[in-house]
Amino acid sequence: QVQLKESGPGLVQPSQTLSLTCTVSGFSLTSNSVHWVRQPPGKGLEWVGAIWSGGSTDYNSALKSRLSISRDTSKSQVFLKMNSLQTEDTAIYFCAGGYYFDYWGQGVMVTVSS
Amino acid sequence: DIQMTQSPASLSASPEEIVTITCQASQDIGNWLAWYQQKPGKSPQLLIYSATSLADGIPSRFSGSRSGTQYSLKISRLQVEDTGIYYCLQRYSNPWTFGGGTKLELK
Repeated sequence: QVQLKESGPGLVQPSQTLSLTCTVSGFSLTSNSVHWVRQPPGKGLEWVGAIWSGGSTDYNSALKSRLSISRDTSKSQVFLKMNSLQTEDTAIYFCAGGYYFDYWGQGVMVTVSS
Repeated sequence: DIQMTQSPASLSASPEEIVTITCQASQDIGNWLAWYQQKPGKSPQLLIYSATSLADGIPSRFSGSRSGTQYSLKISRLQVEDTGIYYCLQRYSNPWTFGGGTKLELK
């Protein structure tokens, strides 16, 4: 079955760079899109960005200047890098696959704090 | 950016009741709308896509509809396991945006 799993550091210092990995199984990155969605504690969902089956990317315009999404199809992994982190970037980061976010990872909590 | 105004913010209903949650889009988004359910501590789950299509494995008591730029999620014969927060999502244009969420509790 389809599985997505996020991994990465739980704590990042302000102004530093966040690096997250989404490892997928049962799911081809060359046939499906993968998105990143985040959720601040106790708040709603925010679409962060996406990498499409062909490898092109789309980013939330509010985050675009700080954001990069890439992938390694041989490892079935998608990467998110976000720089200049601030406390307001503290959130659960989910990766989700499929045209309508059919499949979700369990999420990884990222805290931005010194 | 397209704004998705979701209402109500919260509601409480009894088992077997019918509830409706709505999302108003700030502009035309066609049928590019989805609904998700999120239970505490869990990832969201896709319920409805393309405004009216039921996702795989979702009970038929969930249904979606559209009237112009207003979209509705109806839950018929409410069950205890339907407790959670419901979100709409527009994927018509970048940035894709979610509604603010509706917290559904059962009496």
